[in-house]
Amino acid sequence: DSGVTQTPKHLITATGQRVTLRCSPRSGDLSVYWYQQSLDQGLQFLIQYYNGEERAKGNILERFSAQQFPDLHSELNLSSLELGDSALYFCASRKGLAEGYNEQFFGPGTRLTVL
Amino acid sequence: KNEVEQSPQNLTAQEGEFITINCSYSVGISALHWLQQHPGGGIVSLFMLSSGKKKHGRLIATINIQEKHSSLHITASHPRDSAVYICAVAPNNAGNMLTFGGGTRLMVKP
Repeated sequence: DSGVTQTPKHLITATGQRVTLRCSPRSGDLSVYWYQQSLDQGLQFLIQYYNGEERAKGNILERFSAQQFPDLHSELNLSSLELGDSALYFCASRKGLAEGYNEQFFGPGTRLTVL
Repeated sequence: KNEVEQSPQNLTAQEGEFITINCSYSVGISALHWLQQHPGGGIVSLFMLSSGKKKHGRLIATINIQEKHSSLHITASHPRDSAVYICAVAPNNAGNMLTFGGGTRLMVKP
């Protein structure tokens, strides 16, 4: 158990809908990362938050947004869902920002299926 | 060309064999991670290294920064080692955002 929790574990929805994925980092970790793992693209970085502020953006679609709340949990919002958004969504947390210094701890993932 | 290349993509071994998985990358990095993903999907961080060698039980990870290459070795492999092994790098000046290799699917047969 990494100490990172994600809910829900599974989510099945229809095209055009909107969903929210939730992540609670390990106690004391200020940084949260969101990743998408699809069959054709593999694992890709989406976005990073540190202590409530967005720090880095990767291959995140405009239909997707995220935020980190004062209690440090984070939510990833996916809207106007398409079939191709079906994937595993992971969040990971780490203590700080210093490069290369803190390993990331991954949550169990949310499996999103868009029908 | 991907920034992170792993080989082989698939590997089948007999229990007890020594296994090596390779990772090459093309950018300057601050750290390299080896991750393990089991069939259920969960990802476990095995190693984070920026130089030299690390060992944990039957797993050994090495990195050569000059050659931009890392290897993950599994000694005395066991069927429970069957998983996908993923190499990920943290490019310099990228805030520890990770770039991932395509993974190596390992199956160890009894």
